[in-house]
Amino acid sequence: QKEVEQNSGPLSVPEGAIASLNCTYSDRGSQSFFWYRQYSGKSPELIMFIYSNGDKEDGRFTAQLNKASQYVSLLIRDSQPSDSATYLCAVGNYGGSQGNLIFGKGTKLSVKP
Amino acid sequence: NAGVTQTPKFQVLKTGQSMTLQCAQDMNHNSMYWYRQDPGMGLRLIYYSASEGTTDKGEVPNGYNVSRLNKREFSLRLESAAPSQTSVYFCASSDLAGGPYEQYFGPGTRLTVT
Repeated sequence: QKEVEQNSGPLSVPEGAIASLNCTYSDRGSQSFFWYRQYSGKSPELIMFIYSNGDKEDGRFTAQLNKASQYVSLLIRDSQPSDSATYLCAVGNYGGSQGNLIFGKGTKLSVKP
Repeated sequence: NAGVTQTPKFQVLKTGQSMTLQCAQDMNHNSMYWYRQDPGMGLRLIYYSASEGTTDKGEVPNGYNVSRLNKREFSLRLESAAPSQTSVYFCASSDLAGGPYEQYFGPGTRLTVT
């Protein structure tokens, strides 16, 4: 069974620090990787996607992918209290079930002022 | 563009009652999905529709039916609601034209079955 694993947290970091969120996946054929942010009581919101090994940066966010280790991470620089949310990792396979994504259970991030 | 919309936002049902959750997207996406989200369980796929006219079961389809009414609309029906179906339901859509298949979510329906 294809699985996506995340540490549930909570991960607590002080304001201004770097938050590091990690995700591992079981399907070696996975080709697309996503990070979603979900505020309490709200729907998941896409932050970033990555499908090549290495780093991808977008503002304060950097996604890192290592397919050999089956590992994806999200770094949030200069963390703000508004970044406090649950972060969901999702993994997809272009040739798989019609573009279905497998979601991790999420890591809860708390940024303390 | 409204993106993905869902109705209703909240619903309380008694055991055995039926209801239909509605979802519509205006992004011209060909694929649509229904998930449920429960504490500690993450997002679980109930049904999906890869394209207009097709539907397939996901991880947790029992107790649900779906209809892909047209390219824009995908509904989820509970024929005889059970307390185990108390959950938050999200609809999502995706464009499968070449990947990477990111999904966009609606605001959700919070359902309580008593």
